[in-house]
Amino acid sequence: EDKVVQSPLSLVVHEGDTVTLNCSYEVTNFRSLLWYKQEKKAPTFLFMLTSSGIEKKSGRLSSILDKKELSSILNITATQTGDSAIYLCAVGGAQKLVFGQGTRLTINP
Amino acid sequence: DGGITQSPKYLFRKEGQNVTLSCEQNLNHDAMYWYRQDPGQGLRLIYYSQIVNDFQKGDIAEGYSVSREKKESFPLTVTSAQKNPTAFYLCASTGPTGGLYGYTFGSGTRLTVV
Repeated sequence: EDKVVQSPLSLVVHEGDTVTLNCSYEVTNFRSLLWYKQEKKAPTFLFMLTSSGIEKKSGRLSSILDKKELSSILNITATQTGDSAIYLCAVGGAQKLVFGQGTRLTINP
Repeated sequence: DGGITQSPKYLFRKEGQNVTLSCEQNLNHDAMYWYRQDPGQGLRLIYYSQIVNDFQKGDIAEGYSVSREKKESFPLTVTSAQKNPTAFYLCASTGPTGGLYGYTFGSGTRLTVV
């Protein structure tokens, strides 16, 4: 059975801190790993990582895929209160995405 | 603008009632998906459909039913057999690459049993 596990499930930090969110997976026919940010409603796309693109960066956010360890991390530096959200990791298998439980990140001012 | 429309945004259901959640897309996407999200949890797959008139069960299909009579529409019915239907429901779609490049999501329907 395909499985995606995120850790920690919840994280509370102060504004300006750096955070690292983890995602590990066991998925047959791995095609891609995606990170989403969910604030109130629909998840919004952050990054997609594949075998040919294992590192992505956008502003204060960056992500790395470790295909050997079947895992990925999402780093957020100099966090801001607007980064407070649920961060979802999803892995693309043969036909669909499998989602992890999500990490609820809270940034306190 | 192309996108996915879910309606209603909020829905209240009495015990023993069936309710239907609407999902319409104008992206010309072949595949459509229904996910359920409970508080503090990730998304769990209920049903998905890759072509018209065909659909497959996901991980938690019991108590739910779907139809795919048109490419644009993938309604989800929450039946009385679903014992704990209170949750946030998300519809998604994707094009011919499948889930490789991720999904387009609707804005969700929050269902509450009263």
